[in-house]
Amino acid sequence: QLQLQESGPGLVKVSETLSLTCTVSDGSISRSNYYWGWIRQPPGKGLEWIANIYYSGSTYYNSSLKSRVTMSIDTSRSQFSLKLSSVTAADTAMYYCARTPADCYFDYWGQGLLVTVSS
Amino acid sequence: DIVMTQSPDFLAVSLGERATINCKSGQSVLFSSNNKNYLAWYQQKPGQPPRLLISWASTRESGVPDRFSGRGSGTDFTLTISSLQAEDVGIYYCQQYSTTPYTFGQGTKLEI
Repeated sequence: QLQLQESGPGLVKVSETLSLTCTVSDGSISRSNYYWGWIRQPPGKGLEWIANIYYSGSTYYNSSLKSRVTMSIDTSRSQFSLKLSSVTAADTAMYYCARTPADCYFDYWGQGLLVTVSS
Repeated sequence: DIVMTQSPDFLAVSLGERATINCKSGQSVLFSSNNKNYLAWYQQKPGQPPRLLISWASTRESGVPDRFSGRGSGTDFTLTISSLQAEDVGIYYCQQYSTTPYTFGQGTKLEI
């Protein structure tokens, strides 16, 4: 059974860079039919797609965040990562990593990591 | 961006009764090349990540009870729970994946 696990700091200061990593348990990160993504959810609010990445390194970013987002992938470590720069309180959210078959819906999700942005 | 609008925001249904949630997209998510609607439904329970219920507007995921069904095409979609069970309480989201940025509806909170 595939498992995804987010890791990173739960507290980030305003104006700094949020850095998260997702570890994929079953080695499928290199399979050609899967993309990998990040989705966030502010407390008590809805879901916002952030970005997707393919094992080759091709990325797709949400245009609303594009100037601040960088995604990368390390297939040798079965991990992909998210960096969000110049964070503000509005970036406080539960951050989920997820798998998407062929860059579509998200069929497997991590448990999420709550990141709080504070001064 | 494609705006996804769900209705209602809140829904209270008795056990054993039918629950229907609507989702409307700001533009069609139907691809004529393959006649597929790029629309998914998720269920989220408190403290848990979303769970994929339905993809391609009507394809139930493995392990999802058959009381859950999805239908619709183009811009109008529905998720129906034919006979509500206690464990179905939660927030339901639709998502379009036809065009980036992929977008979600605002959610419908389902209660008994």
